[in-house]
Amino acid sequence: EVQMVESGGGLAQPGGSLRLSCAVSGFTFSNYWMHWVRQAPGKGLVWVSRISSDGNIITYGDSAKGRFTISRDDAKNTLYLQMNSLRAEDTAVYYCARGVVGATVFDYWGQGTLVTVSS
Amino acid sequence: EIVMTQSPATLSVSPGERATLSCRASQSVNTNLAWYQQKPGQAPRLLIYWATTRATGIPARFSGSGSGTEFTLTISGLQSEDFAVYYCQQYDNGGTFGQGTKVEIK
Repeated sequence: EVQMVESGGGLAQPGGSLRLSCAVSGFTFSNYWMHWVRQAPGKGLVWVSRISSDGNIITYGDSAKGRFTISRDDAKNTLYLQMNSLRAEDTAVYYCARGVVGATVFDYWGQGTLVTVSS
Repeated sequence: EIVMTQSPATLSVSPGERATLSCRASQSVNTNLAWYQQKPGQAPRLLIYWATTRATGIPARFSGSGSGTEFTLTISGLQSEDFAVYYCQQYDNGGTFGQGTKVEIK
């Protein structure tokens, strides 16, 4: 059974940092592209970032460029998102998601972790 | 950035009826289009990708059609568990989502 569990969310001050983690099990993590998608309260879905199965290709959405860093540790079956220079508009539930082979499509999702940016 | 526009924003349907949801792209995305279902407090669930391919375990009452800029998700014979918000997503260039269509009980 595929399981994906995010952690690391919480309250951060504007300008602060948080590091999200996503621990996965039930599939061969190193074979898949992985993604972060976020959803502000009461709003729609926004793709944040992706990392290739070998870690060599990394892409960010406009909301994350220059501030967020995605990474992975295949030995720990864990995906990360380092978020710096946080803004109020980064407040959202952050989901990790597994990519369908060959496409930026998300076939399995974690339950999400809430990030709140407020003073 | 490719903008995805979904209509209507809310669709009121009686159980057992058919629901037809639309999604329009600001430029052609070929068939690089996915649909997701999201219920309150839950993560989204993948329904359809490559515009017409049902994801694993998705019932046959869900079907997708379209190409280029115009897409449709059809739910035939709505069941109680189908009342939710539905999002389309293009992945031809990046991965932008539509704003969602809420399917509610009439």
